[in-house]
Amino acid sequence: GAGVSQSPSNKVTEKGKDVELRCDPISGHTALYWYRQRLGQGLEFLIYFQGNSAPDKSGLPSDRFSAERTGESVSTLTIQRTQQEDSAVYLCASSLWAGNEQFFGPGTRLTVL
Amino acid sequence: RKEVEQDPGPFNVPEGATVAFNCTYSNSASQSFFWYRQDCRKEPKLLMSVYSSGNEDGRFTAQLNRASQYISLLIRDSKLSDSATYLCVVNMGTYKYIFGTGTRLKVLA
Repeated sequence: GAGVSQSPSNKVTEKGKDVELRCDPISGHTALYWYRQRLGQGLEFLIYFQGNSAPDKSGLPSDRFSAERTGESVSTLTIQRTQQEDSAVYLCASSLWAGNEQFFGPGTRLTVL
Repeated sequence: RKEVEQDPGPFNVPEGATVAFNCTYSNSASQSFFWYRQDCRKEPKLLMSVYSSGNEDGRFTAQLNRASQYISLLIRDSKLSDSATYLCVVNMGTYKYIFGTGTRLKVLA
């Protein structure tokens, strides 16, 4: 079956621009997660959705970052006024319920010039 | 102390060798455990969940030791394609997944 998909796969933007990253979870998965992974580093938790509510936004690095989810479907992560330190791979994962096995999308590689 | 600790490696082993990784966790209330592999510049892929009774999937065997708070991954008959970073992941029964920093494995021809 279809896995988690993300778009775009690569995004190069100029400092100060806004970007929007999209995630399509596995159908039927109620839980959705966003992580950030800088080059050579581990995964950094950003935000979790259960359905379309976000009980935990504590991982969002600043108020330039926001995310939303439509029902138990697509999620978008928006970064406003991008900075060079935002350059990283942004990974989305979904699971049937929180605590189950997570399945990751291929990520969006963001480069801020 | 880190919540999840792994030896970063690299573990360099010849093809056909058996190699084992351990991962220790600090919170005794941890409920579920997973091993993922991550290839360079790719996303983590679920290798296997780790059950209390231990579980095996082909050449891969995972064990959980709750008393000593560690999980292990054993790879038998290593293949070149097993070269990757292996991530230990611990879950508290909620949405919080704690990722180890990974152990790098290089299988040499």
